[in-house]
Amino acid sequence: NAGVTQTPKFQVLKTGQSMTLQCAQDMNHNSMYWYRQDPGMGLRLIYYSASEGTTDKGEVPNGYNVSRLNKREFSLRLESAAPSQTSVYFCASSENVPGGRPLHFGNGTRLTVT
Amino acid sequence: QKEVEQNSGPLSVPEGAIASLNCTYSDRGSQSFFWYRQYSGKSPELIMSIYSNGDKEDGRFTAQLNKASQYVSLLIRDSQPSDSATYLCAVNKAAGNKLTFGGGTRVLVKP
Repeated sequence: NAGVTQTPKFQVLKTGQSMTLQCAQDMNHNSMYWYRQDPGMGLRLIYYSASEGTTDKGEVPNGYNVSRLNKREFSLRLESAAPSQTSVYFCASSENVPGGRPLHFGNGTRLTVT
Repeated sequence: QKEVEQNSGPLSVPEGAIASLNCTYSDRGSQSFFWYRQYSGKSPELIMSIYSNGDKEDGRFTAQLNKASQYVSLLIRDSQPSDSATYLCAVNKAAGNKLTFGGGTRVLVKP
């Protein structure tokens, strides 16, 4: 049971380059999320998808786009990377039920933008 | 005021002692509360979920929720060096299943 799988694990980009972070889950969860984690800032929500076919902005969406490809997959795209996007990115998934459920996280992608 | 606040620490406790972590939140309509443990360089790992007022125990961990005072706490009994990590408090606000995280409390358990 793989849970939530993210690729790549590490990436270095130059300013202005683009890339897509991939995420897939095999837990049959409806909801998927992208967070970034910076020192002293905790985890901040970039985008989320409550169910297949829907996406919504989180706390820090600027500079990012997402695609919910199907129920399993949720990708995050940086169109023109900036040094401020240097961070650790976590994908997560959860059941979508009233009252809330915990998130299950992938192993993260460590991105450096030079 | 941050939506979810935690003392950043580090909280230093001797091995075998009780570690007490606190978290306050601002949205009075929050419905569910979670504690995650995160080792350095690793992803957050769920250790406790709590949905109603009172205490919930799981092994050496006890979560306490007080919705009237808007705080949730985590006790770690018989602390071990392997408990040294950052502990993240997460709160599900009333609308939608989106978790807001506190900045985390770093715990150091000294042998």
